[in-house]
Amino acid sequence: DAGITQSPRHKVTETGTPVTLRCHQTENHRYMYWYRQDPGHGLRLIHYSYGVKDTDKGEVSDGYSVSRSKTEDFLLTLESATSSQTSVYFCAISNADSQETQYFGPGTRLLVL
Amino acid sequence: GQSLEQPSEVTAVEGAIVQINCTYQTSGFYGLSWYQQHDGGAPTFLSYNALDGLEETGRFSSFLSRSDSYGYLLLQELQMKDSASYFCAVRFSTSGTYKYIFGTGTRLKVLA
Repeated sequence: DAGITQSPRHKVTETGTPVTLRCHQTENHRYMYWYRQDPGHGLRLIHYSYGVKDTDKGEVSDGYSVSRSKTEDFLLTLESATSSQTSVYFCAISNADSQETQYFGPGTRLLVL
Repeated sequence: GQSLEQPSEVTAVEGAIVQINCTYQTSGFYGLSWYQQHDGGAPTFLSYNALDGLEETGRFSSFLSRSDSYGYLLLQELQMKDSASYFCAVRFSTSGTYKYIFGTGTRLKVLA
């Protein structure tokens, strides 16, 4: 299994509070992704990174920001959490030689009350 | 825009063969992937097709027809452990980078 961890694994927070989720990899893969998964919607790309300090938006980026200051870490921040951001968040990685293969982390369950 | 369609649920018996279809509408299409996800788990990569034809990996095979914007995942000799959700995903190019869009998933139930 690819070395990907996510923290925290579970979080309950209140509307309006900032939340940061962390994805950490030990594979030295270039590409990192943040997805959210909701019933009936499958996996939707929030943001992705194609290198240190290089990021771009996905299809559901509103209300989220990301940062990647080093290869191994990709942070997802909800500036002011809303109930609609209650979801399961998955981080994924892929390397430059086989970008089509994404390895997913274990996920973070976020509940916004 | 980009969109994928796959059936929401498929049921089959142990030992049987099942096919899960995926149709897509995408500009900048590059390839079609399949992922498996067990309840409460993370998606795991199964296969990828960039060219037309059939790719076989053990009991699983994946097919792509770029001209028909269609692909399928074929699971043979079904086992109970194959009960899971299966997602197709399109890789497409945009503004010099690659992105992915996933289907909503097909829940496979394998009956004894």
